[in-house]
Amino acid sequence: ETGVTQSPTHLIKTRGQQVTLRCSSQSGHNTVSWYQQALGQGPQFIFQYYREEENGRGNFPPRFSGLQFPNYSSELNVNALELDDSALYLCASSTLERGQSPLHFGNGTRLTVT
Amino acid sequence: SQKIEQNSEALNIQEGKTATLTCNYTNYSPAYLQWYRQDPGRGPVFLLLIRENEKEKRKERLKVTFDTTLKQSLFHITASQPADSATYLCALDSGGTSYGKLTFGQGTILTVHP
Repeated sequence: ETGVTQSPTHLIKTRGQQVTLRCSSQSGHNTVSWYQQALGQGPQFIFQYYREEENGRGNFPPRFSGLQFPNYSSELNVNALELDDSALYLCASSTLERGQSPLHFGNGTRLTVT
Repeated sequence: SQKIEQNSEALNIQEGKTATLTCNYTNYSPAYLQWYRQDPGRGPVFLLLIRENEKEKRKERLKVTFDTTLKQSLFHITASQPADSATYLCALDSGGTSYGKLTFGQGTILTVHP
């Protein structure tokens, strides 16, 4: 069973730039959720994708957008980067239909905005 | 607004003792409550899930209680070991159409001393 993989592991960008983060779901999972984790804080829900459609969004501005592909892999795009976007970005996969399915997290992408 | 608080940022205990972590919430009606473990530089790993109609759940040395009247969950690790040292996160899930969109606490850093 292949776990959730994220790339890249680390990234440094300049304020105003755009970034794309990638995630491969665990095999058999059809739902991907993205979370932002600031240093010393718990993860904060950004959005969820189910069968290639956005299925809920947290309190994040439209410059945070995403995609889910037919193989259930996913991308998180952030435009017009701000210093406060510096954080660990976590991707988690699950199976929505099974209900009560826990989230399986990748090890994240550490984004630093300077 | 919804709020989740884990009782302390850090907890230090001696090996062999029981660690008890607390998660309190307000303005929330969770269908499920989950506990995750997170090691430095890694994504959270699922430990236990408890439903709103369950009082207690056990898994090996782990025990979770859920009191919807007090709006509180307790997480116990018995016979603690240095390898249990990590950050522990509680997370709430409203279920239904919100399933899988977790709201996390800020985490408690547990250190087990030999």
